[in-house]
Amino acid sequence: GNSVTQMEGPVTLSEEAFLTINCTYTATGYPSLFWYVQYPGEGLQLLLKATKADDKGSNKGFEATYRKETTSFHLEKGSVQVSDSAVYFCALAYNQGGKLIFGQGTELSVKP
Amino acid sequence: GAVVSQHPSRVICKSGTSVKIECRSLDFQATTMFWYRQFPKKSLMLMATSNEGSKATYEQGVEKDKFLINHASLTLSTLTVTSAHPEDSSFYICSASYNHEGFDQPQHFGDGTRLSIL
Repeated sequence: GNSVTQMEGPVTLSEEAFLTINCTYTATGYPSLFWYVQYPGEGLQLLLKATKADDKGSNKGFEATYRKETTSFHLEKGSVQVSDSAVYFCALAYNQGGKLIFGQGTELSVKP
Repeated sequence: GAVVSQHPSRVICKSGTSVKIECRSLDFQATTMFWYRQFPKKSLMLMATSNEGSKATYEQGVEKDKFLINHASLTLSTLTVTSAHPEDSSFYICSASYNHEGFDQPQHFGDGTRLSIL
């Protein structure tokens, strides 16, 4: 079946460090891929997306590239800030507005 | 744009009562709304998918009679937890999307409702 696997958290970084959160997926066909962010006590916000192979999604300094050959969609940011502390979820869906399959989430903590 | 409002944000009630949670799309018409449940430090578990004007589709293991979902208009869906018990305490999150005639919009999420049953 379809599934999404993320690296285990929590991830703790110092401010301005480089961030990578790994995400791999198992799916048939060509799903759309998403990264969502959840700040404490809140719902999820769409961070970025990619709808086809080799697409790069980017937003707020974060980026991820849809790699079909490695079935991956790793999230990266060159210089994290304390305000980036949150839980990050990788997800896939066969339509952008369709049923989402989430990874388990990765908690990021950025220290000053 | 694409704002989803969820109300209430927090509710505490006694065991045995029913609780209604509302999910509204404020600036777009939501053809589809989703209801999720999230346990502490866990991922989101999809409970059901509802399309405007039709019955909700529940995921396996979710009790239809326990979690009543209504999607009566293109901007409002409600989740009613009937005869709530402490094990129903959780964080409930809704999302909404618009998909019609080839227009495919990602899901946009509400801020969630923290339900605590005493």
